[in-house]
Amino acid sequence: QVQLVQSGAEVKKPGASVKLSCKASGYTFSSYYMHWVRQAPGQGLEWMGGINPSGDSTSYAQKFQGRVTMTRDTSTSTLYMELSSLRSDDTAVYFCARDYAELWGQGTLVTVSS
Amino acid sequence: DVVMTQSPLSLPVTLGQPASISCRSSQSLVSTDGHTCLSWFHQRPGQSPRRLLYQVSNRDSGVPDRFSGSGSATDFTLKISRVEAEDVGFYYCMQDKQWPYTFGQGTKLELK
Repeated sequence: QVQLVQSGAEVKKPGASVKLSCKASGYTFSSYYMHWVRQAPGQGLEWMGGINPSGDSTSYAQKFQGRVTMTRDTSTSTLYMELSSLRSDDTAVYFCARDYAELWGQGTLVTVSS
Repeated sequence: DVVMTQSPLSLPVTLGQPASISCRSSQSLVSTDGHTCLSWFHQRPGQSPRRLLYQVSNRDSGVPDRFSGSGSATDFTLKISRVEAEDVGFYYCMQDKQWPYTFGQGTKLELK
């Protein structure tokens, strides 16, 4: 069926980087924009950025500029998001979402703690 | 960036009664193709958000018809005609007219 399956939970130390994955199945991955959205504990939803279908154009929210990189691999239908220089306030559940957010992954908890 | 403002932030409702959530945007969400780029989402604790409505009033597949959306330009409303137990959780509006997509703060719907 049509779904997005994300990688497992991560625990990182401050200053480290994390790379998350989101594997699409059941549809033509290369036809859709993809996004990353995060949700800090007890907080609302925050759009981080998006990538075009071919993967050659990205747009990031200003607060993540310089720390985030989104890529995609059409051969494996997988979306990636790398976030560097992690801080404690990056602790959150990170979601991937398709196009107009009609389809979401299950979320990946990233915990940043010394 | 487009600022999305929801109200109320907390909504206690009796089972079987109606509920209504307001969402306002800081600028018009009408796109150049004439569509209005406003969606509504429902999120239960520990789950991913689920889109309920897109382009103001179009229900996604499987969404019960007790959910309806209305509004135009900058002022929008989500209505639940008769609240059921499964409707508890958080509701978010989101604009997808331009990047960055932006969300409202969220409205917590709970049963009285």
